[in-house]
Amino acid sequence: DGGITQSPKYLFRKEGQNVTLSCEQNLNHDAMYWYRQDPGQGLRLIYYSQIVNDFQKGDIAEGYSVSREKKESFPLTVTSAQKNPTAFYLCASSHGQGPYEQYFGPGTRLTVT
Amino acid sequence: GENVEQHPSTLSVQEGDSAVIKCTYSDSASNYFPWYKQELGKRPQLIIDIRSNVGEKKDQRIAVTLNKTAKHFSLHITETQPEDSAVYFCAASLDTGRRALTFGSGTRLQVQP
Repeated sequence: DGGITQSPKYLFRKEGQNVTLSCEQNLNHDAMYWYRQDPGQGLRLIYYSQIVNDFQKGDIAEGYSVSREKKESFPLTVTSAQKNPTAFYLCASSHGQGPYEQYFGPGTRLTVT
Repeated sequence: GENVEQHPSTLSVQEGDSAVIKCTYSDSASNYFPWYKQELGKRPQLIIDIRSNVGEKKDQRIAVTLNKTAKHFSLHITETQPEDSAVYFCAASLDTGRRALTFGSGTRLQVQP
């Protein structure tokens, strides 16, 4: 189903704790993306990476960090600096050149109390 | 940056009727316009996309039209079925720079049997 996985599916954390969401793809895609979705809203871009060892801030990067040490993996850390971290987080990947279809992972629902 | 507006936010139709969802975008350089369908708690799935060198594209009961002059594009679903009920998102991107998708806020389509 697209070859992109996210884990865990549900994650619960206490306020003030950092948490890392996993995203792995076996599609040999160069580009990977993280989006955040709040109830009843569209997807907003957090970070993206077009090649290994390079990544850029999206529209709502504050309070988040990423790494791209391997082509297949693009983990997202939600830090304690993120004011409203409770949301549905979606990872996506696509070919690096041109505008191509983005394949989405199944998502991680993060709840912070 | 790019801004995508989507209307209506909710749409209810009778089974067998047609449904139309409209989006406008702000960046005239955008050249890729996908439509995603998202069922509750699931990942967005691409249902159709169109590139700027094409004015219309059809796939069975689904069609997308693009008016680059007016900077708007629309999704048309004919002969709607209950399984078409979901949230639909339009998006826009370009093939330079970040190439990430900018999403509309979504349309909740309800098909009444």
